[in-house]
Amino acid sequence: QSVLTQPPSASGTPGQRVTISCSGSRYNIGSQAVNWFQRLPGSAPKLLIYQSNQRPSGVPDRFSGSKSGTSASLAISGLQSEDEADYYCAAWDDSLNAWVFGGGTKLTVL
Amino acid sequence: QVQLQQSGPGLVKPSQTLSLTCDISGDSVSSSSAAWNWFRLSPSRGLEWLGRTRYRSKWYNDYAVSVKGRISINPDTPKNKFSLQLNSVTPEDMAVYYCARDQSGYSFDYWGQGTLVTVSS
Repeated sequence: QSVLTQPPSASGTPGQRVTISCSGSRYNIGSQAVNWFQRLPGSAPKLLIYQSNQRPSGVPDRFSGSKSGTSASLAISGLQSEDEADYYCAAWDDSLNAWVFGGGTKLTVL
Repeated sequence: QVQLQQSGPGLVKPSQTLSLTCDISGDSVSSSSAAWNWFRLSPSRGLEWLGRTRYRSKWYNDYAVSVKGRISINPDTPKNKFSLQLNSVTPEDMAVYYCARDQSGYSFDYWGQGTLVTVSS
C-alpha cells in the first residue's frame, strides 16, 4: 500500500489533455514539494517535474505540475504516443523521515 | 554530465546478502549538495525508496522502515561510488534496483541503468 495515492490507470487520445492526480497527507504533500517521474518500459525513471511545478531542462512544456493542499497533479497536454508510460509522484514524508511514492499510473494513448 | 553505473550480481540465494555498487562520474559522492539513493521497482510494491547516504560535514544515512535493520548504504570516497547491501533476502526482495542522485532542490535527476535482482536457490 503506497503512502501517496494515484489512479492505477489513465488514458487519452493524441492531442488530448490528461491529468494524473496524487493524494497524500499534511506530512508529505501538505508540507513538501512534489516530484513527478516518467518510466518508459525497460528504462530508468526520468524526472519530469520537481518542486511541484518546475521542469528540468529538456522536458517539454506539455508537461506541467501543480499542488494544492495535500494533493498534486500532473497535466500532459497535446498527448503523444511516446507519452505512453508509467508516471509516479513522490514527496518527502516528515513523519516517516523517508521519500514516499505513489503506486504509479499507467498512461495509455489510445 | 553526471553518470551512474551500477554493477553487481543479478542472482542472489534466499537468506543471503544482496550487494550492488553505483559508480559515480561527473560528481562526487562527498558533495555537500547531493544525496545518493537506492530504489527498487517491483510489480507488487511499485517504486520504493530504500535509503540514502549524504555528506554534510559528516556522513548521514537514512533508511526506509520497510528494510531498516537489513540494509546498509555506504560511500566509498576514494573510488567515488556508493553501495547497497541488503541482508537476509527473500523472494519479496526480487525487483529492479536503481541508484540515483538527489541534487538539493532538484530531486532525483540522474539514475543508474537498473539491475534486475532475482532471489532464487
